[in-house]
Formats: sequence, structure tokens, C-alpha cells
Amino acid sequence: DTGVSQNPRHKITKRGQNVTFRCDPISEHNRLYWYRQTLGQGPEFLTYFQNEAQLEKSRLLSDRFSAERPKGSFSTLEIQRTEQGDSAMYLCASSPPGQGASVNTQYFGPGTRLTVL
Amino acid sequence: AQKVTQAQTEISVVEKEDVTLDCVYETRDTTYYLFWYKQPPSGELVFLIRRNSFDEQNEISGRYSWNFQKSTSSFNFTITASQVVDSAVYFCALRIGMGSGAGSYQLTFGKGTKLSVIP
Repeated sequence: DTGVSQNPRHKITKRGQNVTFRCDPISEHNRLYWYRQTLGQGPEFLTYFQNEAQLEKSRLLSDRFSAERPKGSFSTLEIQRTEQGDSAMYLCASSPPGQGASVNTQYFGPGTRLTVL
Repeated sequence: AQKVTQAQTEISVVEKEDVTLDCVYETRDTTYYLFWYKQPPSGELVFLIRRNSFDEQNEISGRYSWNFQKSTSSFNFTITASQVVDSAVYFCALRIGMGSGAGSYQLTFGKGTKLSVIP
């Protein structure tokens, strides 16, 4: 299966600790997205990469959050000094290059569920 | 700013009944895409369909059908002869702009509708 993969699937941490999540997009997808989903809500956009360039950032991405995609393949999302309000599902998605309708469709991974105690 | 409203929080139907999930969107942009995603209990969002703002042709795919009406800013989704496996949370989403380099790539999601199909 060559879908989007995310690791770890679950993370429990104590308040104030740093955490890092990894996302591997679908092979040859050059666009990668991070979203956050809290209980009972729809996903909320965090940031978007095209290749290694971070082109969009949401105001939700506070200075405790940083995302990277150094080689234009996998991406990491780091949260520093975690707070209880950071508890959520963190979703990664990717979409293919080129023109046409398929460019606009984002394919999601299974997510990383973060619990901050 | 964009907004997607899914007024139905939860719906329960008995197996084999038809069910329609409502979606109303707001945007000032004239070019955009609309999407439906399914999120089963496992948590992974599964893409179902996309529609662009120039294509109001409704579509039927197996037991699924979609009704896109720009005049009412609605993009509704119907499941015919529902099955227990259809039980999930369904999300409607909007992306403004089209194609590479246009608009914003972020998706704006509604809050979702939880569908329970009872055997």
C-alpha cells in the first residue's frame, strides 16, 4: 500500500515536553499538508508545503509549532512546550503535482493522536 | 473568509433507508472546489468526491449521489439503501481557487455529520 503514513499513531506526553511527528506522503506527491482535528470538529489547516518550500501557514501555527520538509519528501511537525490544549489528532495529507483536477484532491493519512497530560 | 456549514450533527437511520447529508458553503470566490470525505471509526479521512464551481452536473456513483446547486450554495450527499458499513462521520470541505498556483490550497471543513446506520 502506498498511502500516506504517519508515525507514531499515538503519543502521550506530559505538559511542557516536546513532541515530533512524522509524515510520509504518497510517492511522487509534491504537496504536503498538516491539519489538526479536535474532538467533534472538522480538521483545521495548519500548514502546506510544495516540495521543500513552506508556502502557507495558518495563524493556528503558533511559535511553539514548527514544520519542516527538508528534502521535499517526508515532513516533521514539532510541538515545543506542549500544553493540554494541544491534545488533538494531527493529520497529514498529500496531493499530486501537475495541472488538472486531481491536483486539488488531498489524500489523508491515519493521523497521530496526541494526548497531553 | 470561507465557511462550510453542516447543520446536521448526528443522523440515525435504519439499514436500507436513504439518507441525505446537507452541506452549505460560503465564499466570495467564483472559482473553488467542493469535497466530501468519510471518516470511519478508524479515523482516516477517505476522499469520496470533488466538484469544481463550474460543474453543476450532479453525479451518481453506485449507492452515492451528489447534488450541487450554486444558486443555494449547497452540495448535498445522498446514500441510497444505506448499509451498516456507511456508519461514519462525513465531512464537506471547500478549497478556493483552482489548479496549480491559484487561490489557497487549504481545505475549510465543516464540523461533520455523524451517520449511524442501525441494522
